Amino acid sequence: EDQVTQSPEALRLQEGESSSLNCSYTVSGLRGLFWYRQDPGKGPEFLFTLYSAGEEKEKERLKATLTKKESFLHITAPKPEDSATYLCAVRHRSNDYKLSFGAGTTVTVRA
Amino acid sequence: DAGVTQSPTHLIKTRGQQVTLRCSPKSGHDTVSWYQQALGQGPQFIFQYYEEEERQRGNFPDRFSGHQFPNYSSELNVNALLLGDSALYLCASSLAPGSANEKLFFGSGTQLSVL
Repeated sequence: EDQVTQSPEALRLQEGESSSLNCSYTVSGLRGLFWYRQDPGKGPEFLFTLYSAGEEKEKERLKATLTKKESFLHITAPKPEDSATYLCAVRHRSNDYKLSFGAGTTVTVRA
Repeated sequence: DAGVTQSPTHLIKTRGQQVTLRCSPKSGHDTVSWYQQALGQGPQFIFQYYEEEERQRGNFPDRFSGHQFPNYSSELNVNALLLGDSALYLCASSLAPGSANEKLFFGSGTQLSVL
């Protein structure tokens, strides 16, 4: 059974204070690791897909990295609009159908 | 370009009742997945529909059933509602399973409360 664990559960940052979110996964044959952002009362919004260890993706103040056991989402100089829950999910190599999600990290950025 | 649309946005039911949730996929998508998200948790996979067939089911009882129509829209039905079924129900659309582009696009969900 695929397992995805995210830490910390919650993160409070001052505007401009960079930090990192962790996603540890256990899957026997990773097909892809996905990062989503979810705002209150909304569905998850796609951010990145990572496929192999060493891969990195960037979008504005966000950068995602991948190793063989975990992924990090780095937030550089965050702004209040970066406040959201960030979800990590994995897809198994032999499974075209489902994503297994972690519980998420809720980030709050204060001005 | 319309994204994934779900209806209704909110629903209140009592234990034992039945409910039907609806989803229209993003234009150009032919695959619909349903997820259940309890408060403070990540989404849990219920099932996926492609070519009007259920392709895979997660760990959910038979009280959860679905349907996909020829226009790719989908319904999620839940019978004999339990208090524990209270959650945000998310619909996600994508291209066919195994496609090179594997992104899921989610709707805003239906918030179901069972009293």
